Parts: sequence; structure tokens; C-alpha cells
Amino acid sequence: TQLLEQSPQFLSIQEGENLTVYCNSSSVFSSLQWYRQEPGEGPVLLVTVVTGGEVKKLKRLTFQFGDARKDSSLHITAAQPGDTGLYLCAGVANAGNMLTFGGGTRLMVKP
Amino acid sequence: NAGVTQTPKFRVLKTGQSMTLLCAQDMNHEYMYWYRQDPGMGLRLIHYSVGEGTTAKGEVPDGYNVSRLKKQNFLLGLESAAPSQTSVYFCASSSTGTSGFVSDTQYFGPGTRLTVL
Repeated sequence: TQLLEQSPQFLSIQEGENLTVYCNSSSVFSSLQWYRQEPGEGPVLLVTVVTGGEVKKLKRLTFQFGDARKDSSLHITAAQPGDTGLYLCAGVANAGNMLTFGGGTRLMVKP
Repeated sequence: NAGVTQTPKFRVLKTGQSMTLLCAQDMNHEYMYWYRQDPGMGLRLIHYSVGEGTTAKGEVPDGYNVSRLKKQNFLLGLESAAPSQTSVYFCASSSTGTSGFVSDTQYFGPGTRLTVL
């Protein structure tokens, strides 16, 4: 059983559509990160959220950390083919602990 | 800067064979990590190191050994490979580890795809 559950596991949409992916846990996380991984490469950090209720924007990507710090979401507006990839959330459960990764959401944006 | 590099990129082993994966970073980072990535499982931490000469177990350490003889290198060894170790292996490094409640940015290598027959 994973500490961080991501949904959906797979998502295939047309260019221009909006989408939201979720990262949920029954545990409280002190901080949470979102990474994007392209085929054949390692993950790259997109954002870190620390405060419950925090919202961060990165161009067309909006990240939110739940008020109770048990969940997070990533919303993409007007998706583009360049957004295609594997999106991973990762969190720190307690001070001094290592990162725990979710299973990932694989996104495909078709032209 | 090359960042984090991994060798080899691909490898096929027979059950029982041994091999070593090499990770090198040129960012003078203290922390280094080895993860494995399996479909739907995200990344799972195998071993990590908080500095030269020190290593620690992660979530899934069984069947693997590591060494950090030099600050810039982190080696992952498989003494007797098993089909269950078929996976993509990623190395990462960070300047610091977890500062209180926030993980420092981890920089990942491109991965090694290992198949054990």
C-alpha cells in the first residue's frame, strides 16, 4: 500500500483541454513536491508546497496543497503536447524523513 | 556541468550474475540516492548517502549494496541478480537532505534500464 495515491493513473486528452490530477494520502505530509518525467529521462522538480491551502502557479500549471496537508492537486489549463509525461507527487511525512513518491499519472496530450 | 550521470544506460543480466551501477555528480552535493522505478509504483528508495563514506538503507534495500568512497560517486551493486530486480534505476543527488519538513531539490540522472532474465 502506497502512502501517496495518485489518480488517474493514465489520462489521454486533446490539445487545448483542461485537466486535474490528484495526489491523496491518509497521512499528513509536512511538504509536497510535484515532478515531471519525460520518456527516457529522470524526474524534474516542478514545485514544492509547504503550507496547508497553499496555491502555486507555474504558467498554465496550478498546484494546490490541501488544507489538512493530506492531498494535493495539479491543474493544467489548455494542455499542450509538450505537457505529455509522467507526473509524480512526492512528500515528506515527518521531519528528517526521506521523500515518498506516489505511483504517478501518465499524461498524453494529442495534437 | 553534466549534472548527474549514470552508467550503463542499459544492461541485461542472467539470474545470479552480479553488476555495479555507477552514479556520478559534479554539483558537489552531499546527499545521493538510488531509486528503482516500476510501472505504477513511482520511485522507491533503495539506499541513500548523506556524505562521503556513509550509507543508509531506504525502503527496499534487500538484494542491493552501495558504496560512497568519493563524494561525487555513488555505486549500486547487485551481488546475485534476480528477475524481481528488473527495473529502471535512478540516481539522484541533493545539496542537503530534508531541512526540517521540506526536502531539498533532488536532481536525477537519466536512469539505467536493467533486465534480469
